[in-house]
Amino acid sequence: EPEVTQTPSHQVTQMGQEVILRCVPISNHLYFYWYRQILGQKVEFLVSFYNNEISEKSEIFDDQFSVERPDGSNFTLKIRSTKLEDSAMYFCASKGTSRVGELFFGEGSRLTVL
Amino acid sequence: AQSVTQPDIHITVSEGASLELRCNYSYGATPYLFWYVQSPGQGLQLLLKYFSGDTLVQGIKGFEAEFKRSQSSFNLRKPSVHWSDAAEYFCAVGGTSYGKLTFGQGTILTVHP
Repeated sequence: EPEVTQTPSHQVTQMGQEVILRCVPISNHLYFYWYRQILGQKVEFLVSFYNNEISEKSEIFDDQFSVERPDGSNFTLKIRSTKLEDSAMYFCASKGTSRVGELFFGEGSRLTVL
Repeated sequence: AQSVTQPDIHITVSEGASLELRCNYSYGATPYLFWYVQSPGQGLQLLLKYFSGDTLVQGIKGFEAEFKRSQSSFNLRKPSVHWSDAAEYFCAVGGTSYGKLTFGQGTILTVHP
């Protein structure tokens, strides 16, 4: 069964460092998302990406964050200068060819900022 | 703005007992509703979804949910819980805006033998 894969599963970094989280969405999907879940809190929307551009972003997704689909298969989330409060589980998700449908989530990348 | 409330943070049931997890949503148009389950260290797995039509929807693992527009609710039910159902359950609402989902706080389910 097709699945969304994310790497790394866990990354520890120092505050102020740049981090790139990688995702391989399901191959024929057109809509891509990043969500995050701070420990003990709800899953929060960060950004959606369609047709090679950001379609929507939350207020969390400030200038420190960026997304890219560099090669038609990977979908990356970059945090330029990490802060302690960026520590969270980051989930990538993808959706098929319709604007309405279920999201398929990866297993997440846990980011710990020291 | 869309929002989801899951009033129960933690529920404990005995194996074999019935289960109902509550979900209330706020959404300005016709909502698309989802229940996801997350086991420890795992990603989010879709249990079931409601887009339109029959308000009682069946999902995987014997779960079902009923959409009640008048109550803005989408409660998840299972007639007989198994120990493997212990996990965290998230209700989510979305629309046609590129499929962005808004999640509830989650309900942790503990199952006693």
